[in-house]
Amino acid sequence: EVQLVESGGGLVQPGGSLRLSCAASGFTFSSYWMHWVRQIPEGLVWVSRINGGGSTTNYADSVKGRFTVSRDNAKNTLYLQMNSLRTEDTAVYYCATWVGGVPYWGQGTLVTVSS
Amino acid sequence: EIVLTQSPGTLSLSPGERATLSCRASQSVSSNYLAWSQQKPGQAPRLLIYGASSRATGIPDRFSGSGSGTDFTLTISRLEPEDFAVYYCQQYGSSPLTFGGGTKVEIK
Repeated sequence: EVQLVESGGGLVQPGGSLRLSCAASGFTFSSYWMHWVRQIPEGLVWVSRINGGGSTTNYADSVKGRFTVSRDNAKNTLYLQMNSLRTEDTAVYYCATWVGGVPYWGQGTLVTVSS
Repeated sequence: EIVLTQSPGTLSLSPGERATLSCRASQSVSSNYLAWSQQKPGQAPRLLIYGASSRATGIPDRFSGSGSGTDFTLTISRLEPEDFAVYYCQQYGSSPLTFGGGTKVEIK
C-alpha cells in the first residue's frame, strides 16, 4: 500500500526557514517523480517536483529561488527546504505522486508564517 | 499549464438526490489522467475517482466518473448525508499538476 507521510510543519516568522519531509513507502520510491502541492484558502496549488534520480527539479514561479526540493532515495524521503518565508506561504503542504496511474498524497503538514 | 474549471461553484441538493459535477480542461488531459477527490473541513482530500472513471479502493459505487479529453463529470447517484463536502478535480497527465477550484455540495 502506497503511503506518504509529511512532517516538519509549524509556526515560523516571516523571513524564516523550515524544512518539510515526506516519508514514502509501498512503492519503488526512486522510480517516481514526486511533487509538493499546497492548499491555501483559494484552493490547491502545485509547488514543486523532482524526478526519481533527483537530477531534475521544477518550481512554481511564486517559490522559485526560495524553495528547494530534494530527495534521499536511500531513506525513501522527499524534502522541501523553504527559505525567506512569506505570510502568503501559509498553507497545508502535501507531497504527492502517482503510481500505476493512481494519484496519491499524504495527510499534509501545516505551515503558518506569522509574526 | 492546463486550467481546470469546475461548475457549478455550489450545488444545493437534498439527501437522496442525484449530483452532477463538471470539470472542463483548457486542453486535452493526457491519458485521461483526471481525478476527483472529496474534502471535508480539516481533512486532507480523499481520492474518489482516478483515470477519469476508475473508482478508488473502498469508494461506494454511487460515485462514478466519466468523460475524456477536456470534459469530465463526477456523478453521485443518490446523495448520502456524508457526501456533503467540497469536490475537486485534478489533472496529473501534464506538468504542472493542476486543480479545479472546487464544487461545494451543500444540503438544501
